[in-house]
Amino acid sequence: AQKVTQTQTSISVMEKTTVTMDCVYETQDSSYFLFWYKQTASGEIVFLIRQDSYKKENATVGHYSLNFQKPKSSIGLIITATQIEDSAVYFCAMRDGGNYKPTFGKGTSLVVHP
Amino acid sequence: DTTVKQNPRYKLARVGKPVNLICSQTMNHDTMYWYQKKPNQAPKLLLFYYDKILNREADTFEKFQSSRPNNSFCSLYIGSAGLEYSAMYLCASSREGRYEQYFGPGTRLTVL
Repeated sequence: AQKVTQTQTSISVMEKTTVTMDCVYETQDSSYFLFWYKQTASGEIVFLIRQDSYKKENATVGHYSLNFQKPKSSIGLIITATQIEDSAVYFCAMRDGGNYKPTFGKGTSLVVHP
Repeated sequence: DTTVKQNPRYKLARVGKPVNLICSQTMNHDTMYWYQKKPNQAPKLLLFYYDKILNREADTFEKFQSSRPNNSFCSLYIGSAGLEYSAMYLCASSREGRYEQYFGPGTRLTVL
């Protein structure tokens, strides 16, 4: 069974700094996919970035990047040069390769102060 | 275009009455999902369609129904709403080989 754990319930940072959000996962499958999503104040959930388990390179999209540590079953989200509009709840999620059912963590609330 | 649409955006229902929520996507995604989202909780998967095959979660099997008459459209049906059904209902879709999900804006359901 899949399990995703986000231990940080909330993080507060100053604008233009770098923040890292933690996520650890459990799976029995050797092939899996890891995701980060952002929930905006309106409640909408937006896909940010994805890491495939077989890829050694950390994924990067814009000012989002991942710190994939496969031996530790860890997939951290790094946001560089944070902006006020990055304030949101961030969800880590995973999906096994042969499974259509994603599993989400409980989310980390990020507040970016000016 | 990665748009998933949901209707209505807000729904007020009475206890014991049925509720029908609508979702559509024009991305030709083969899988469509319904989630229930409550504050400070992870999205809870209720059911999903892979093509025409419906998969319902064991703990919500009897509470929610769904239909997918074509690739673009999916509904969520609650036969008898209870107070505990008050939540945000999120529809999402994904394409085989891509795996990430695209979410709609959600329907905020309030049961009184």
